[in-house]
Amino acid sequence: GDSVTQMEGPVTLSEEAFLTINCTYTATGYPSLFWYVQYPGEGLQLLLKATKADDKGSNKGFEATYRKETTSFHLEKGSVQVSDSAVYFCALASGGSYIPTFGRGTSLIVHP
Amino acid sequence: GAVVSQHPSRVICKSGTSVKIECRSLDFQATTMFWYRQFPKKSLMLMATSNEGSKATYEQGVEKDKFLINHASLTLSTLTVTSAHPEDSSFYICSAGPGAGGQKETQYFGPGTRLLVL
Repeated sequence: GDSVTQMEGPVTLSEEAFLTINCTYTATGYPSLFWYVQYPGEGLQLLLKATKADDKGSNKGFEATYRKETTSFHLEKGSVQVSDSAVYFCALASGGSYIPTFGRGTSLIVHP
Repeated sequence: GAVVSQHPSRVICKSGTSVKIECRSLDFQATTMFWYRQFPKKSLMLMATSNEGSKATYEQGVEKDKFLINHASLTLSTLTVTSAHPEDSSFYICSAGPGAGGQKETQYFGPGTRLLVL
């Protein structure tokens, strides 16, 4: 079945550091890929998505590129801020399904 | 993007009582809504799929008599935790789909409801 593997956290960075959160997936067919962000005490918000190979999703300075050859969708940001501290979930949806398969989440802590 | 709300955001109840959580899609109609449970420092666990006008579909291991789901309209689904016990304490999150503009694979999540059963 479908699965998503994320790097374990927490990831702790200083403000303005470069961020990479790795995500790889296993799926049949050609899934859509997502990154969701969950701020403390809140629900999930869609951060970005990509629906086909080589697509790049981007939002709020975050980027992720759909790499079919490596089955990856790594999240990157060039300069993180304290306000980016949150849990980031990589997810996929395949076969036209509305139901994402989530990774376990990676906690990001950004210090001033 | 589309907006999904949940009410209440936080609830504390005594063991043995029932608690109802509402999930509303505010600016679109949702024939399908989903209920998740999130344990501390864990990913989301899909509990059930709520279908407007028909019975909910429960995931394996989720007690349908314990977690009653009603999707009475295209904008409202409710989850009732019946005879709640301390082990039911958790963060419950709903989502709605399909999304607006033909983005069928995108789900929009509510802000979550924190349930604490004493």
